[in-house]
Amino acid sequence: DAMVIQNPRYQVTQFGKPVTLSCSQTLNHNVMYWYQQKSSQAPKLLFHYYDKDFNNEADTPDNFQSRRPNTSFCFLDIRSPGLGDAAMYLCATSTEDFRVRDTQYFGPGTRLTVL
Amino acid sequence: RKEVEQDPGPFNVPEGATVAFNCTYSNSASQSFFWYRQDCRKEPKLLMSVYSSGNEDGRFTAQLNRASQYISLLIRDSKLSDSATYLCVVIASGGYNKLIFGAGTRLAVHP
Repeated sequence: DAMVIQNPRYQVTQFGKPVTLSCSQTLNHNVMYWYQQKSSQAPKLLFHYYDKDFNNEADTPDNFQSRRPNTSFCFLDIRSPGLGDAAMYLCATSTEDFRVRDTQYFGPGTRLTVL
Repeated sequence: RKEVEQDPGPFNVPEGATVAFNCTYSNSASQSFFWYRQDCRKEPKLLMSVYSSGNEDGRFTAQLNRASQYISLLIRDSKLSDSATYLCVVIASGGYNKLIFGAGTRLAVHP
């Protein structure tokens, strides 16, 4: 039973052509995250939503935007993809209270190729 | 200096071997610690949490040394299926619950 679903699993786009990646969850978690992971590197947090509150990381480029229309869905928009944006994009969710040692649940990721 | 540092490996070990991974973190106020496993081209999955008292789950043992800001993972009796990248993860203190990932240590178990 998939809990965090990402679509598509593989996305090919052209340099500069906007692309949207999708994430949905069946866990009813109120926090959703987007990470970028390049080959042999650690996942890097781009931003997260705490309910409807958007929290951007200081070093996330303006080229990356996000939308969360409801609890279940979250989108990552890359306005003008560059070659350096080719990576795996991971969506994750968590409950509100991390202090109970809950963790983040990751989706399978979307692998983005930029031509 | 990176917030979470790991030896990238790879560690190439035979089946049945015992292997240990180490991780250091820079923020002394970090609150929670985890080991994640990531298979090639897959998402990270929680392997185990790490507690100050140490914890064990089958063949896996995790230890935390807050004074040295050091986390370890010990795998006994390695299996071929243990081949993966092991990510050390720390939750930063204060603010929201942000996972800080190490770059991972790659393990290859061979017959």
